[in-house]
Amino acid sequence: DGGITQSPKYLFRKEGQNVTLSCEQNLNHDAMYWYRQDPGQGLRLIYYSQIVNDFQKGDIAEGYSVSREKKESFPLTVTSAQKNPTAFYLCASSLTENTEAFFGQGTRLTVV
Amino acid sequence: AQKITQTQPGMFVQEKEAVTLDCTYDTSDQSYGLFWYKQPSSGEMIFLIYQGSYDEQNATEGRYSLNFQKARKSANLVISASQLGDSAMYFCAMSAWDGATNKLIFGTGTLLAVQP
Repeated sequence: DGGITQSPKYLFRKEGQNVTLSCEQNLNHDAMYWYRQDPGQGLRLIYYSQIVNDFQKGDIAEGYSVSREKKESFPLTVTSAQKNPTAFYLCASSLTENTEAFFGQGTRLTVV
Repeated sequence: AQKITQTQPGMFVQEKEAVTLDCTYDTSDQSYGLFWYKQPSSGEMIFLIYQGSYDEQNATEGRYSLNFQKARKSANLVISASQLGDSAMYFCAMSAWDGATNKLIFGTGTLLAVQP
């Protein structure tokens, strides 16, 4: 079945540690996105990528990094520089700018 | 700069009645797409409806319709005959050119509660 997979679903980390969230899609989509969602809030764009080996900063990129070495994969690293990393992270992909984005199930990151 | 604004943090509607969720957008791009998504308490994002900036007809998908008023830069979602299962968070989103590539941005959402 085609889809977009995020792992893990729940992640706990100690403060000061870097952590990488996985996002894989087998939909052959060019565009991929990472969003952060805080309780009761909307989705804020962290990074996005339209093609392999190219990505752009979104509205809240500070403290995060990404790579796009393969079309199918767009991992997000939450670095120790991110001051408030506890949040729900959603990855999405879309075929074109005029087609709907498909979302993963999300990763809930808790930093203690 | 592109922006999506949803001014209704929460809405109540009686079951079987219609409800309109507001969305206004800001972009200088002539070509853009507008989307609505539903997020139940489980957290998944469910695509509801799409409207292209050059589409002259308002988009409809079952009980969902998008009231697109280009001059006013609004893209309101209308849900007809509300059901209890419609209770969820609803997000308006826009895909637009940022000068280098397309980006997909979301509003802050409207929490809809359908009452029996």
